[in-house]
Amino acid sequence: QKEVEQDPGPLSVPEGAIVSLNCTYSNSAFQYFMWYRQYSRKGPELLMYTYSSGNKEDGRFTAQVDKSSKYISLFIRDSQPSDSATYLCAMMRNQGGKLIFGQGTELSVKP
Amino acid sequence: ETGVTQSPTHLIKTRGQQVTLRCSSQSGHNTVSWYQQALGQGPQFIFQYYREEENGRGNFPPRFSGLQFPNYSSELNVNALELDDSALYLCASSPGSSGKGGTQYFGPGTRLTVL
Repeated sequence: QKEVEQDPGPLSVPEGAIVSLNCTYSNSAFQYFMWYRQYSRKGPELLMYTYSSGNKEDGRFTAQVDKSSKYISLFIRDSQPSDSATYLCAMMRNQGGKLIFGQGTELSVKP
Repeated sequence: ETGVTQSPTHLIKTRGQQVTLRCSSQSGHNTVSWYQQALGQGPQFIFQYYREEENGRGNFPPRFSGLQFPNYSSELNVNALELDDSALYLCASSPGSSGKGGTQYFGPGTRLTVL
């Protein structure tokens, strides 16, 4: 069993839709949770960074962490074609330690 | 502020050859981590360097080795290349005073193809 599980999709939605992306994990030692966006043939770009449980909002993006369920989510409101990319969840035990990534979910937002 | 840069962008090698990939960390960052990303997969941690010392290693064989220089730039060396080494190699830098600097920022990657 992988430490971090993420549905690879692909996920296709119309422009303006609310997108929900999710990851589950097995190791309760994870404390730091991130979402990265990766465009085709580019490096991952940090979107959201959260410590422990709770919600964090940044513009159209909201990250949620539920440590009791070992479940994290990323919500994208008013999705745009420019949001079309692969979204990677990542987590780590200690600040500055190695990142453990999910497989990535490929998102396509259609105009 | 300059972000993380990597060179070369693309590289084609044959089985058994050796390759060196280079990374310049973001200004002010003293920790560099390397990841391997196979097609359709998430990045896998190879190793991390903090102030020129290896500071953690993933499940990769010894033919994967690295260096960090006094200016915090870094190299990834892979010997005896195998077909399965074909992947995008990502470098990430992070700030920190103790090797636990937090957020990692990624470079654009080097795409290695092994024939």
